[in-house]
Amino acid sequence: DAGITQSPRHKVTETGTPVTLRCHQTENHRYMYWYRQDPGHGLRLIHYSYGVKDTDKGEVSDGYSVSRSKTEDFLLTLESATSSQTSVYFCAISEGVQNTEAFFGQGTRLTVV
Amino acid sequence: KQEVTQIPAALSVPEGENLVLNCSFTDSAIYNLQWFRQDPGKGLTSLLLIQSSQREQTSGRLNASLDKSSGRSTLYIAASQPGDSATYLCAVNPMDSNYQLIWGAGTKLIIKP
Repeated sequence: DAGITQSPRHKVTETGTPVTLRCHQTENHRYMYWYRQDPGHGLRLIHYSYGVKDTDKGEVSDGYSVSRSKTEDFLLTLESATSSQTSVYFCAISEGVQNTEAFFGQGTRLTVV
Repeated sequence: KQEVTQIPAALSVPEGENLVLNCSFTDSAIYNLQWFRQDPGKGLTSLLLIQSSQREQTSGRLNASLDKSSGRSTLYIAASQPGDSATYLCAVNPMDSNYQLIWGAGTKLIIKP
């Protein structure tokens, strides 16, 4: 299995509080991604990174920010959590874009109450 | 806009049967297509990656085919086992995706002992 660790695995937080999810990889892959998975919507890309300090928005980026200060770490921050951000969040990595596999972490279940 | 469809949404078969899961996509301009498995409450496990120039890939009892011109891929599972029970997802990597995989909604597979 690809070395991807997400933390925390579960979190309950209150509306309006900031939350940071961490993704750590040991594969030295250049590309990292944050997805959310919701019933009826499948997997949707939030943000991605194509190198240290290089990030861009995905399909559902509103209310989220990311940072990547090291190759191995990609942080997802909810500046002010809302109930609509209750979801399962997955981090993924890939060596490249065109012809490489994507590998996923185990997910973080976030509940905003 | 690329769309990915998986039919059926759910499938229940007796143990030992061979089965086929379907994935269709609307735009043939893709780099590759990837099949994943997701167990309840778990992350996604990559099963097979088919490059756009390939027709099929095999791993153990799994065989995935790709017909880019017709926008179809199938995942064939031979001699199914109860341990194969999971949700199977396909994702395409479109050439105009800006790093974003496009996902099907998945097929939930149950293998009855």
